[in-house]
Amino acid sequence: QQPVQSPQAVILREGEDAVINCSSSKALYSVHWYRQKHGEAPVFLMILLKGGEQKGHEKISASFNEKKQQSSLYLTASQLSYSGTYFCGTEGGNQGGKLIFGQGTELSVKP
Amino acid sequence: NAGVTQTPKFRILKIGQSMTLQCTQDMNHNYMYWYRQDPGMGLKLIYYSVGAGITDKGEVPNGYNVSRSTTEDFPLRLELAAPSQTSVYFCASSRQYEQYFGPGTRLTVT
Repeated sequence: QQPVQSPQAVILREGEDAVINCSSSKALYSVHWYRQKHGEAPVFLMILLKGGEQKGHEKISASFNEKKQQSSLYLTASQLSYSGTYFCGTEGGNQGGKLIFGQGTELSVKP
Repeated sequence: NAGVTQTPKFRILKIGQSMTLQCTQDMNHNYMYWYRQDPGMGLKLIYYSVGAGITDKGEVPNGYNVSRSTTEDFPLRLELAAPSQTSVYFCASSRQYEQYFGPGTRLTVT
């Protein structure tokens, strides 16, 4: 039950905003967001937990709708360094980070 | 701190050969994970561990084995390599939520 991300790809100009969505068919305990640049390892951005707790980098914002089993990642005033592939990972319960990742959203920010 | 280190960086195997991918972390994290990432795809969890001596299967465990005798090390064993195991393998560790990934091992089976 892999979560579904949308859009698959997005191209932005510097300074523009973007929203990346992650949707699951199962009830969720947590949603994790990672960014991966080409040829590199994924890097943690944020975790959103059932009940409203969030932990992550200050400049990243996200939402988690538990009823709809959806999460959205908000990228505002995009910079060139935001380019990469964004993955959401979901947990159905508190399983020590046993994540199922979505297929990814490729974000390209152009000057 | 070196973080999570993986060896080797690259490896080419012939069909039927075996090998061990090494993973070491120096952050004293209890949780460790092995993922594979096929080209243009997301990460698939192979095995994970919540502490020394405890391992469990992830989404795609077939063809792999793991052991966790120490907190620091979490090797992944490939037995009888198959072309379908051609992938990039990432090891990760975490204390609670944030997973720290190693640089990856690019494996080709021909």
